[in-house]
Amino acid sequence: KAGVTQTPRYLIKTRGQQVTLSCSPISGHRSVSWYQQTPGQGLQFLFEYFSETQRNKGNFPGRFSGRQFSNSRSEMNVSTLELGDSALYLCASSLLASGGAAETQYFGPGTRLLVL
Amino acid sequence: AQSVTQLDSQVPVFEEAPVELRCNYSSSVSVYLFWYVQYPNQGLQLLLKYLSGSTLVKGINGFEAEFNKSQTSFHLRKPSVHISDTAEYFCAVSGGTASKLTFGTGTRLQVTL
Repeated sequence: KAGVTQTPRYLIKTRGQQVTLSCSPISGHRSVSWYQQTPGQGLQFLFEYFSETQRNKGNFPGRFSGRQFSNSRSEMNVSTLELGDSALYLCASSLLASGGAAETQYFGPGTRLLVL
Repeated sequence: AQSVTQLDSQVPVFEEAPVELRCNYSSSVSVYLFWYVQYPNQGLQLLLKYLSGSTLVKGINGFEAEFNKSQTSFHLRKPSVHISDTAEYFCAVSGGTASKLTFGTGTRLQVTL
């Protein structure tokens, strides 16, 4: 079974631009979560989507948004990019069969975003 | 709310020596605990998890961890490390009904000959 895939793997943008990252979950997985990884802040939860609805949200500004499609694929968007948005963005999928916290999340390779 | 503390940012160890990576957590609800490993320029790979039952959990690559509720710890151990174990290790917790993971700051395991 194929793992979580993320595209693109690398991205360079300039301040003020917007960016869209894509994530395809493991086949059959219904929940997709996004995390931001930076050297200073570590791994931080952005949001989680299930059945095209945002179930949980982390403490990030409204410039960060996401959505999920009917096939469980997910996209996240960052508008008006800032230098501090440079990070590795990780997507994780889970079955969400048993309801949430006990679910194992399987991570993709990430998209490395550099904002100049 | 949950939090995770990984006390050691770096752990140097010789090949074939044992290693323990420490993780302490804080939570007001029942928790589920995970250890992930991240190799350079890669995502996170699940090593092992504790959901319930036996407090000693065995994972992949010879790693194991012990859940200690009284000490709120979930330390990761391996009896004999290999050069290929060099990586960043993250302890994570989830709890309540939310599937979001709260991560520690990571421990860089550096294995040398």
